[in-house]
Amino acid sequence: AQSVTQLGSHVSVSEGALVLLRCNYSSSVPPYLFWYVQYPNQGLQLLLKYTTGATLVKGINGFEAEFKKSETSFHLTKPSAHMSDAAEYFCAVKTGANSKLTFGKGITLSVRP
Amino acid sequence: ETGVTQTPRHLVMGMTNKKSLKCEQHLGHNAMYWYKQSAKKPLELMFVYNFKEQTENNSVPSRFSPECPNSSHLFLHLHTLQPEDSALYLCASSQAGLVSIYEQYFGPGTRLTVT
Repeated sequence: AQSVTQLGSHVSVSEGALVLLRCNYSSSVPPYLFWYVQYPNQGLQLLLKYTTGATLVKGINGFEAEFKKSETSFHLTKPSAHMSDAAEYFCAVKTGANSKLTFGKGITLSVRP
Repeated sequence: ETGVTQTPRHLVMGMTNKKSLKCEQHLGHNAMYWYKQSAKKPLELMFVYNFKEQTENNSVPSRFSPECPNSSHLFLHLHTLQPEDSALYLCASSQAGLVSIYEQYFGPGTRLTVT
């Protein structure tokens, strides 16, 4: 079985500050990992994904995430937050051709001026 | 139209009504999905269609009835819903097949309120 844990429901940062959104996964096989963003009144948009190879993956809008197998983590970071980053962020895991995409419960990012 | 579109964007219905949600993808994909998104809960996968065939029904009550007439269109027929069915219903599409890493593309969702 696969699962995703996103601790906390809300993170607030100042504009220009580091963004760190945590994601831990559980999987019995090598996982495929995803981060999605959902802006108000919109669907989910893929930020980045890890499949194989380089463990540091870069995505859109300046976000990146690092796959750490030893820590079963895939934390999302951005060096400098922008007001437009305010949204809900979902981590998700997939473990094979016949597995579904399992989402975490999401975390809301607020950016203070 | 581009990407994945969903209509209507908002729907209010009584418990005795029958309504349908529509999803259309313009990406040439061959897998389509329905998800339910409730406040502060993980997205719940409801149904999966691969090449128009239903491949997953995630223990969804029969008051939700999906239909996939072709690879580009997906419907969710609703009848005798309950207030707890109020949620955002998201449609997604992806490539299907043996390669499992294809990401899913989501529509904007239909905000459903059951009164």
